[in-house]
Amino acid sequence: DAMVIQNPRYQVTQFGKPVTLSCSQTLNHNVMYWYQQKSSQAPKLLFHYYDKDFNNEADTPDNFQSRRPNTSFCFLDIRSPGLGDAAMYLCATSSRVIRSYEQYFGPGTRLTVT
Amino acid sequence: GQSLEQPSEVTAVEGAIVQINCTYQTSGFYGLSWYQQHDGGAPTFLSYNALDGLEETGRFSSFLSRSDSYGYLLLQELQMKDSASYFCAVRDGENQGGKLIFGQGTELSVKP
Repeated sequence: DAMVIQNPRYQVTQFGKPVTLSCSQTLNHNVMYWYQQKSSQAPKLLFHYYDKDFNNEADTPDNFQSRRPNTSFCFLDIRSPGLGDAAMYLCATSSRVIRSYEQYFGPGTRLTVT
Repeated sequence: GQSLEQPSEVTAVEGAIVQINCTYQTSGFYGLSWYQQHDGGAPTFLSYNALDGLEETGRFSSFLSRSDSYGYLLLQELQMKDSASYFCAVRDGENQGGKLIFGQGTELSVKP
């Protein structure tokens, strides 16, 4: 089945220790998104790619970086995690820009910062 | 700025009908989406309205009134498995990349 895969599902890192979360998709979608979601809150968009065109949200901290080496893979790098970065990180895709209303989400990576 | 408002929580009994409202204020509007998210799970797409009126998909229906900047999700024949958070989301058409602005979510509890 075509899907969005995130690894790992659970990640524990130490305060200030860089961490990378990964996302892959077999849907061959052009658009990929990274969201941060904290408990009982809405998903908050960090950035998204249309193909290799990178779009950063204005309020995304510089601590967060992303890479998309090819259509299938996208990475979220947190350079120096703080306690406030503990959250669920969701990767999503949509087939085209005009279909951004329909996004396919991965299962998420729950990040704990100790 | 852009904002969406929906009730924070709704409770209903199994077999009943529940309506979750969403009002929005956006500088551009390209349609209203609804997503379901079970506790600990990922959001899943339920429906999308670009034009006024009702869209029906099985037990779920979604309605949009662009003149009122208002929409709702209607869940019929409620089942225990419908207990989840429901998010309305507006597509931000200003950004060529296309992104969604999510509401804060409505937690639906279905009681036996």
